[in-house]
Amino acid sequence: ELKVEQNPLFLSMQEGKNYTIYCNYSTTSDRLYWYRQDPGKSLESLFVLLSNGAVKQEGRLMASLDTKARLSTLHITAAVHDLSATYFCAVDSTSRLTFGEGTQLTVNP
Amino acid sequence: SAVISQKPSRDICQRGTSLTIQCQVDSQVTMMFWYRQQPGQSLTLIATANQGSEATYESGFVIDKFPISRPNLTFSTLTVSNMSPEDSSIYLCSVVDAGQPQHFGDGTRLSIL
Repeated sequence: ELKVEQNPLFLSMQEGKNYTIYCNYSTTSDRLYWYRQDPGKSLESLFVLLSNGAVKQEGRLMASLDTKARLSTLHITAAVHDLSATYFCAVDSTSRLTFGEGTQLTVNP
Repeated sequence: SAVISQKPSRDICQRGTSLTIQCQVDSQVTMMFWYRQQPGQSLTLIATANQGSEATYESGFVIDKFPISRPNLTFSTLTVSNMSPEDSSIYLCSVVDAGQPQHFGDGTRLSIL
């Protein structure tokens, strides 16, 4: 059974600071997703990582994938309040997604 | 990418009743899925909606409780049967379209009294 673990589950950080969210998974996978969810909203796709060593960046967020370590990271650079949301990683196995528990990020002024 | 419309967006239902949720996509897609997000929790896959055949359910979910139809490549329904307060969740439809990331509808927020 595929297991996906995220940490931390809760993250409170100040604007301007950097931090990393970690996503570990237990078996090999086709691809890994990062999603953002705002309160009361659905999921917004942020990144799709397809291969070992993949790195993608969009604004203040950068995601990477190490398939050998079964680890993905989501790095936040110089956080701003607008990044406050819950972030999920999801591991894809024949398009069936297994989600991590989510990281609830709060960025304080 | 394909545009997904889910109906209803929210509902409040009495226990013991059933509700059917619709997922309409504006183009033909390869795969459609149904997920559940319980309050304050992550998402869990309920089933893969197979076009023209029975859905494939994940462990812990059964057809009698969550019957699913997918009559064509653009439409699927999920029924939540004989509802109890534990079924209060957000139910989300997702699609896989060739070359595109799996993406989600806006969800149906269901409360059972």
